[in-house]
Amino acid sequence: EIVLTQSPGTLSLSPGERATLSCRASQSVSSSYLAWYQQKPGQAPRLLIYGASSRATGIPDRFSGSGSGTDFTLTISRLEPEDFAVYYCQQYGSSPPYGFGQGTKLEIK
Amino acid sequence: EVQLVESGGGLVQPGRSLRLSCAASGFTFDDYAMHWVRQAPGKGLEWVSGISWNSGSIGYADSVKGRFTISRDNAKNSLYLQMNSLRAEDTALYYCVRQAVAGTLDYWGQGTLVTVSS
Repeated sequence: EIVLTQSPGTLSLSPGERATLSCRASQSVSSSYLAWYQQKPGQAPRLLIYGASSRATGIPDRFSGSGSGTDFTLTISRLEPEDFAVYYCQQYGSSPPYGFGQGTKLEIK
Repeated sequence: EVQLVESGGGLVQPGRSLRLSCAASGFTFDDYAMHWVRQAPGKGLEWVSGISWNSGSIGYADSVKGRFTISRDNAKNSLYLQMNSLRAEDTALYYCVRQAVAGTLDYWGQGTLVTVSS
């Protein structure tokens, strides 16, 4: 079973700053089957990035994903007020379980 | 518009059973694999179970294997989760989620809350 570890646990930044979130896998994630989700309080998660670097429909281009193998990154180039939320990475390879990371909380500094 | 509406949650005693349902609309249900993902209060996301479009491939998290059963009825555009031998640690918001063609989870319902307590 692949275990995903996200860092940092909490990231405190100001609007306009750049955010870099990390997701490390315990073993290689096949074919970059790595996704990122955003969750705001009281809401269901929303898909941001799939295939490690492809933006989902309607996601602003300030969100970008990169990485392969065991190390992946979500970057938000210039933070907007609505970007402060919890972010999860997830691997969805060829077979379950499709584990999530423990999440990174992005909070306003 | 894709809609996933969960139902069936509630308060249940430890050891008892509960059946969750998810009504899907706005897309061709039998073209897509479906999943259940849960979130305990104040905690992160946990994948629970998934089922292929034709029920030919099914998977479970180790934490629920042998206790939960996922199923679907394509004629009724519905997904189900039969939960037996419930434990306090199964307390969570349960989301019904569609798997996109690319393999990731693209549409989520709003969830149904399951509370296991005596």
